[in-house]
Amino acid sequence: NAGVMQNPRHLVRRRGQEARLRCSPMKGHSHVYWYRQLPEEGLKFMVYLQKENIIDESGMPKERFSAEFPKEGPSILRIQQVVRGDSAAYFCASSPPTGRTLNTEAFFGQGTRLTVV
Amino acid sequence: GNSVTQMEGPVTLSEEAFLTINCTYTATGYPSLFWYVQYPGEGLQLLLKATKADDKGSNKGFEATYRKETTSFHLEKGSVQVSDSAVYFCALRSSASKIIFGSGTRLSIRP
Repeated sequence: NAGVMQNPRHLVRRRGQEARLRCSPMKGHSHVYWYRQLPEEGLKFMVYLQKENIIDESGMPKERFSAEFPKEGPSILRIQQVVRGDSAAYFCASSPPTGRTLNTEAFFGQGTRLTVV
Repeated sequence: GNSVTQMEGPVTLSEEAFLTINCTYTATGYPSLFWYVQYPGEGLQLLLKATKADDKGSNKGFEATYRKETTSFHLEKGSVQVSDSAVYFCALRSSASKIIFGSGTRLSIRP
């Protein structure tokens, strides 16, 4: 059973370009979370999605950032017109369906390290 | 709102020393509590968890007890090893929603 898969592991973008980060959850998991980690800092929640639904996007910046989790395929975190301040590690996590969620940990991917030059 | 406060680092110890990393939380209801560990360049791995008051989570010699009366979930290990050097995150989940993390504590163990 493969773990949470994120790609790419490293992504370099010039200012103004778009960044697309992909996350494939563990098999059987229908909940996906995105977190951002700045160097030497903790994890900041960005967004929580279920298949085809955004459940909680309270941590998402109001502009340039969007996330989706389609019925088929990976979850995508999209950052438009990137700026240097977007440079960070972005982690995706997944967990099983609702019903067992409260007691269940989230399983994390290896992260995508975005560098904006 | 819900929050997690953990001991600031970095923490530096000698091998075989006793470790405590403090964690306290604020939450409505009855959250589940977690400790995650992050090794350099990697994602987070679950270290242990507790889902109700007085539960003790344990793994790899680490332990933490869910104390509702003090709203705490301190991480302890009796004898640390160099391989325990990492960043440790305390976290909580209080509903079918996001997991909230503390700011992390960097632990370095000297041989």
